[in-house]
Amino acid sequence: EVQLVESGGGLVQPGGSLRLSCAASGFTFSDYSMNWVRQAPGKGLEWVSYISVSGDNKYYADSVKGRFTISRDNAKNSLYLQMNSLRAEDTAVYFCAKSKTYFFDYWGQGTQVTVSS
Amino acid sequence: EIVLTQSPATLSLSPGEKATLSCRASQSVSSSLAWYQQKPGHAPRLLIYDASNRATGIPGRISGSGSGTDFTLTISSLEPEDFAVYYCQQRSNWPVTFGGGTKVEIK
Repeated sequence: EVQLVESGGGLVQPGGSLRLSCAASGFTFSDYSMNWVRQAPGKGLEWVSYISVSGDNKYYADSVKGRFTISRDNAKNSLYLQMNSLRAEDTAVYFCAKSKTYFFDYWGQGTQVTVSS
Repeated sequence: EIVLTQSPATLSLSPGEKATLSCRASQSVSSSLAWYQQKPGHAPRLLIYDASNRATGIPGRISGSGSGTDFTLTISSLEPEDFAVYYCQQRSNWPVTFGGGTKVEIK
């Protein structure tokens, strides 16, 4: 059974940093590209970032480019999102999602990030 | 960026009725479109990919159609578990984008 479990969310002040993690199991992690997708309170879904199988290719939404960094450790079956210079508008539930040719076929339960003073 | 517009915003129907949800793209996405279902407090679930292919475990009453700029998700006979929010998503161009969602609620 595919499982994705996010962690690392919390309350942070504007300008602060957080590192999200996603632990994967139930599939060969090193064979699939991965993504982060977020959902602000009461809003729709917004794709945040993509990383290829090897980690060589990374894409970001314009809203987070230059502030967020996606990475992965295939030996640890883990995906990460380093979030710096956080803003109030980054407040959301962050989901990690497994890629199926740039669709998302499995999702974690999400981790809440709240940016507030 | 490709904009996906979903309509209606809310669909009020009774169990057993047919639901027809629309997703319109600002430019052609060929058949590179997916549909997701999301229930409150839960992660989205992939229903349909490449416009008309059911994902693993999705029942036959749920189907997708369309190509180019106009797409439809149809639920032939609503079951209680089908009342949720539905999102479309395109992967034709970066960035991948989602529609704003259609809420299917119990009438």
